[in-house]
Order: sequence, then C-alpha cells, then structure tokens
Amino acid sequence: DAGITQSPRHKVTETGTPVTLRCHQTENHRYMYWYRQDPGHGLRLIHYSYGVKDTDKGEVSDGYSVSRSKTEDFLLTLESATSSQTSVYFCAISGLGDGTQYFGPGTRLLVL
Amino acid sequence: TQLLEQSPQFLSIQEGENLTVYCNSSSVFSSLQWYRQEPGEGPVLLVTVVTGGEVKKLKRLTFQFGDARKDSSLHITAAQPGDTGLYLCAGAREETSGSRLTFGEGTQLTVNP
Repeated sequence: DAGITQSPRHKVTETGTPVTLRCHQTENHRYMYWYRQDPGHGLRLIHYSYGVKDTDKGEVSDGYSVSRSKTEDFLLTLESATSSQTSVYFCAISGLGDGTQYFGPGTRLLVL
Repeated sequence: TQLLEQSPQFLSIQEGENLTVYCNSSSVFSSLQWYRQEPGEGPVLLVTVVTGGEVKKLKRLTFQFGDARKDSSLHITAAQPGDTGLYLCAGAREETSGSRLTFGEGTQLTVNP
C-alpha cells in the first residue's frame, strides 16, 4: 500500500470557520491531488500539485485553497466553511503523473 | 458535465454469476483506470489500460480498453461475495502539469452468497 495518511479522519465544524486538511506521503511522489466525493457526483478534483509550490485548480476549486511547501505534505484549506462543503475528501498521489493514482483513507467533514 | 458514463449504477447478483460493467465517453483518454472502493475507505487501483484494444486480466477480472480509447469494460467471472464494492472508472487526459482524472459515478456491486 502506498504510504498516504490524511488528518484528521473525521471533523465536525460550524459554518464560517476555517478548516485545514492535511495529506502526508512517504513515497516521495511528485504529484498530489485533492478530491471530494459526493453522492450523485462521484469523485471530483478540487486542486492538484505537480511539485513543491506548484499547484493548479481542478473542476470544483471555488472556496478552497491549497499549499505545498514540501514534497511530502499537501494542505487543503476551506477559508470559510459552508454546508455545501460537507463531503468526504480524498488525497491521492502519483509518481509519474500519468493517471495512475493512489488514494489515502479519506477525511469525513461535516459542516453544520 | 458528466464526461464518463458508467453502467449499470447498481448491480445485485448471486454468487457464481458473471457480470460486466461499462464505462463510456465521447472523449478520448490517454489511459483509463479502474478502482474498487469499500465503505469508509479510499479507492484502490485495480488496473491501468493505456493502448486502444488492450485487454488485461487480474484473476477473475478482465478489463478492456476500447479501440478508440473512449470506452472500457470490466468483466467479472464467477463473482464471489468478496467482490462486493463500488467500482469506479477514471479516464486520464495529459496536460503539461500532469494527467487529470475524470471519474465515473461508479457501479455498486453486491454479490449475494
């Protein structure tokens, strides 16, 4: 199994509060991704990174920001959480950026 | 816009039956991945297909990539209860900053003993 951890695994927060999710990898992979998974929508890409300090937007990036200051960590921040951001968030990594990605265990976020 | 259509969305069968899951798109992909996901866990990669017409086998699972690289199928022979799970297909498109995946909504398979 690829060495990917996500923290926290579960979080309950209130509307309007900032939230940061962390993805940590031990594989030294260049590419890292954040997805959200919702019923009826499947997995959708939020943001991704193709190197330290190199990031780009995915298809559902509004309301989210990311940072990658070192290879092993990729942070996802919800600046001001809304109820529509209640979801399960997955981090993924890829060594070659060729479509083969390995997923972390997920973070279940509930915004009240 | 849903670029990858998976069918069926739900499938409930008896142990020992065969089944096929389809993944279709109007877009061409550089590669296509199949994942399996269990409740409370992240998707686990089963296979990557790259060449049009490619067929890969993984024990009782057979994966095929369409000649035009727009569609794919997953066939399971003699399904077992342990095959129960959510099966996801994902198509990759190359960009200068690496590939981006587009996922289908998934097929929820239940194999009854």
